[in-house]
Formats: sequence, structure tokens, C-alpha cells
Amino acid sequence: DGGITQSPKYLFRKEGQNVTLSCEQNLNHDAMYWYRQDPGQGLRLIYYSQIVNDFQKGDIAEGYSVSREKKESFPLTVTSAQKNPTAFYLCASDTGSGNTIYFGEGSWLTVV
Amino acid sequence: AQKVTQAQTEISVVEKEDVTLDCVYETRDTTYYLFWYKQPPSGELVFLIRRNSFDEQNEISGRYSWNFQKSTSSFNFTITASQVVDSAVYFCALSDLNTGGFKTIFGAGTRLFVKA
Repeated sequence: DGGITQSPKYLFRKEGQNVTLSCEQNLNHDAMYWYRQDPGQGLRLIYYSQIVNDFQKGDIAEGYSVSREKKESFPLTVTSAQKNPTAFYLCASDTGSGNTIYFGEGSWLTVV
Repeated sequence: AQKVTQAQTEISVVEKEDVTLDCVYETRDTTYYLFWYKQPPSGELVFLIRRNSFDEQNEISGRYSWNFQKSTSSFNFTITASQVVDSAVYFCALSDLNTGGFKTIFGAGTRLFVKA
């Protein structure tokens, strides 16, 4: 089935550690996105990528990093510089401007 | 500048009641797209509808209907005869095509509780 796969679903991180969230899509979409959602809040854009080997900062990029080496993959690294990383992270993709964004199932990150 | 406002933070209804979720948007562009998504407790956002700025015709899909009015910059969502399974957070979103459109803006969401 076509879709967006995020892993892991749940992740616990010790303070000071970097963690990487995986996002893979087989929809042949050019654009990919990472959003952060805090409890009871809306979605905030972290990073996005329109094509391979290119990505742009979103509204809350500090403390995060991404790569886009393959069209299908857009991993997100939450670095130790991110002071409050506990949140729900959603990966998404679409075919281009104005088209429908489709989402993965999300990853819960908790700092312990 | 883009902006999406969902003024209703939470709504609680009893099963079989009709409920309308409000969405007001701001954009300077003449070409844009509006969306509604549903986020059930599992967390994944489920796409419900996409409407372009040139099509103001209202749409009905089963118990769901959408009212798009450019004059008031609103794109409201009505659930008729609500069911417990409709309980979720609903997000309205806006994508401006002329300004790149690659960054879709989401409203803060409306949490809907449907009681049996």
C-alpha cells in the first residue's frame, strides 16, 4: 500500500542525546515536511523539502536538523540543542504547491 | 500573510446533534486551497476535503458538508447527526499557490466531543 511510514512510534530520549526520527514515503511525492504538535496545540512546521538535496527551515527549526538524500526519505534529527523536545512529530508529503498533504501516523518523543 | 483561525477550541455535543466547526482564513492571493483534516485519538491526520479558491460550490459527503464563502473568508464544516466516532480534533488549513504554496498553514484545531 502507498503511504508514509514513520518510525519509531514511541521514543524516549535522555537529556543531552540526539535522536533521529525516520520518515519514508512511497507516494512518489516531491515535497516532504516535518511538523511538531504539542498537547492541545496545532501543527508547527519544523522543516520542509521540495526536492532531493534541498530543504528549508520552517517556523521552529532551532534544535532540529534534516537531510533529503533520497526522494523517499526525510529523516529528522532532534538534537540536544532542542530544549523542550517532548512532543508529537508528524511527517507529511505532497506533490507540490497547493496539493493535498498526506500524513504519517506520527512519532511520540519523550525526554526522560 | 497567511492565517487560519479556528475560534472554537472545544465543542461538546450529544450524539445525533448537528455541529458546525468554523474556519476563517486570511490570504492576499487570489489562488489558494483550503483543507479540512481529522485527527482521531490515534494521532494521524486524515484528509477530508480540498477546495480551491475558484470553486465556491458547497460540498456534501455523507454526513459531512462544507460551506465555502469567499465574501467572509470562511470555510465552515458541518457534521449532521453526529456520532461518537466523530470525536476528534479537526484542523482547517490554507495553502497559497501564488506564493509558493509549499508551506501549508494550519489552524489551531477544534476538539469535538460527541457524547453517547
